[in-house]
Amino acid sequence: DSGVTQTPKHLITATGQRVTLRCSPRSGDLSVYWYQQSLDQGLQFLIQYYNGEERAKGNILERFSAQQFPDLHSELNLSSLELGDSALYFCASEATSGGRTYNEQFFGPGTRLTVL
Amino acid sequence: EDQVTQSPEALRLQEGESSSLNCSYTVSGLRGLFWYRQDPGKGPEFLFTLYSAGEEKEKERLKATLTKKESFLHITAPKPEDSATYLCAVCWGKLQFGAGTQVVVTP
Repeated sequence: DSGVTQTPKHLITATGQRVTLRCSPRSGDLSVYWYQQSLDQGLQFLIQYYNGEERAKGNILERFSAQQFPDLHSELNLSSLELGDSALYFCASEATSGGRTYNEQFFGPGTRLTVL
Repeated sequence: EDQVTQSPEALRLQEGESSSLNCSYTVSGLRGLFWYRQDPGKGPEFLFTLYSAGEEKEKERLKATLTKKESFLHITAPKPEDSATYLCAVCWGKLQFGAGTQVVVTP
């Protein structure tokens, strides 16, 4: 158990719909990353938040957005869903230690999104 | 272009047959290299962090090493429970994961 929680575990929805994925980081970690992993692609970085503020953006579509709340949990919002958005979505919290810019990440169990 | 390349894509080993996985990178100003293990349908599990060339880390049957252009993950006398996909991630101002090496260890 990494200490990172994600809900829901599974989500089945239709094209054109909007969904929200939730992530709670490990206690004490300030940074949250979101990733997408589909069968034909590796782990794709979407976006990072640090203590409530957006810090870095990766290959995130305009239809997707995220935020991190004062209690440090984060939500990833996916709208106007397409078949190709079906994937595993992971969040990870980054260890806050050592004064380094990048530290190891601890991943949640993921949310499996199926768009029909 | 790919800046993080893992090889081989897949590896099939007999139990006890040691081998090495490679993660090569073309970035400059490396700030850290991470190894993860991922089981099917689950989130990646952190294994090691390496920050500078010459550094080595070891955990049970796994040993990670780092040079200026690549990292190796050595699996010594693997067991079937070592079967997984092994991912490396490179940080140089951004973070990029490699595509992974799928390892299958048969009894």
